[in-house]
Formats: sequence, structure tokens, C-alpha cells
Amino acid sequence: EVQLVESGGGLVQPGGSLRLSCAASGFTFSSFWMSWLRQAPGKGLEWVANIHQNGGERFYLDSVKGRFTISRDNAKNSVYLQIHSLRAEDTAVYYCARDDSSGSYYADWGQGTLVTVSS
Amino acid sequence: DIQMTQSPSTLSASVGDRVTITCRASETIYRWLAWYQQKPGKAPKLLIYKASSLESGVPSRFSGSGYGTEFTLTISSLQPDDLATYYCQQYSSYSYTFGQGTKLDIK
Repeated sequence: EVQLVESGGGLVQPGGSLRLSCAASGFTFSSFWMSWLRQAPGKGLEWVANIHQNGGERFYLDSVKGRFTISRDNAKNSVYLQIHSLRAEDTAVYYCARDDSSGSYYADWGQGTLVTVSS
Repeated sequence: DIQMTQSPSTLSASVGDRVTITCRASETIYRWLAWYQQKPGKAPKLLIYKASSLESGVPSRFSGSGYGTEFTLTISSLQPDDLATYYCQQYSSYSYTFGQGTKLDIK
């Protein structure tokens, strides 16, 4: 059974930083692209970033480029999202998800971790 | 970025009704479209991928159709468990984008 467990969310002041983690199990982690998505309170879903199996390719939502960095450690079956210069509009539940082998749609999601940016 | 527009934004229907939700893309996405169901406080659940392929374990009352820029999700006979918000997502090109959602209420 595929399991994705996020951690690292919390309350952060504007301009602050945070590192989100996602621990994966139940599949061959190194064989799949991985993604982060988010959902602001009461709002819709937004794709944030994804990363190739070997970490060599990474893609980002325009509004987070330069502030967010996605990375992975295949030895630890984990994917990360480093977030800098946090803004109020980054407040959201952040989900990690596994890209399907045939395209970036998502059958497997974590439970989400809440990031709140507020002073 | 490709814009995805869903309609309607809210929908109220009765158990047993046939329900259709539409998703339009601002440019062609071929068949690279997925549909999700999300219940409050939960992660989204994949229903349909590649516009019309039913995800394993999803009831057959859900179906998808379309190609290019116009797509539909149909629930053939609405059940009480279908109370949720539904999202379309294009995965044709970065940044992958979602529709704004359709909230489905049961009358």
C-alpha cells in the first residue's frame, strides 16, 4: 500500500522559512516523479512543484520560483520542499503526491501539512 | 499557463439524478485531463485520468469524456456519498492547473 506522510508545517512569520518533508513507502520511490501541491483555506487546488526520479529535473509554479526548492533523497524515500520568504498567500495545506508513471496526475496523496503564515 | 474553467461552480441535485460537470481549457490539452473528488478535510481522490479512463476502484457511475478543450464528468445516478467538491486538472503542460472546483450538494 502506498503511503505518503508529510511533516514540517506550522505557524511562521512573514519572511520566514520552513522545510516540509514527505516520507514515502509501499512503492519503489526512486522510480517516480514526485510533486507538491497546495490548497489555501476554502480555496482550490494548486500544483506547486515536481521533481524527476533522480532529482535532475525540477519544475515550479511561477509564483514560487526562487523562493521554493524541491529536493529528494532516494536513500531515505523522502521528498522535501524548502520554502523561503514566506508570504501570507502561501498559507495552505501542502500535499505531497506521487506522479503517475504515465503523466502528472495523482492517485496517491499524503494527508497534508498546514502552513500558516502570520505575524 | 493553461487556464481551466469549470461549470457550474455549485450544483444541487437529487439522489438518482444524472449530473454533468464541464471543464474547459484555454488551449488544447489533447486527452491530458484528470478529475478528482474531494471531501471536506480530506485529500483529493482520483476518479478519471486521460479524460475518460476510470481509476481502479472508482464506481462505474462516474465517467469522463472530451478531447482538446472541452471535457465532462458525468455521474449517471447520484448517490448520497457523492456529496463533495470536484476538480479537473490538466497535465498537458507546466504549470499543471486545476479548475476552480464544482461543489455538489444533494437535495
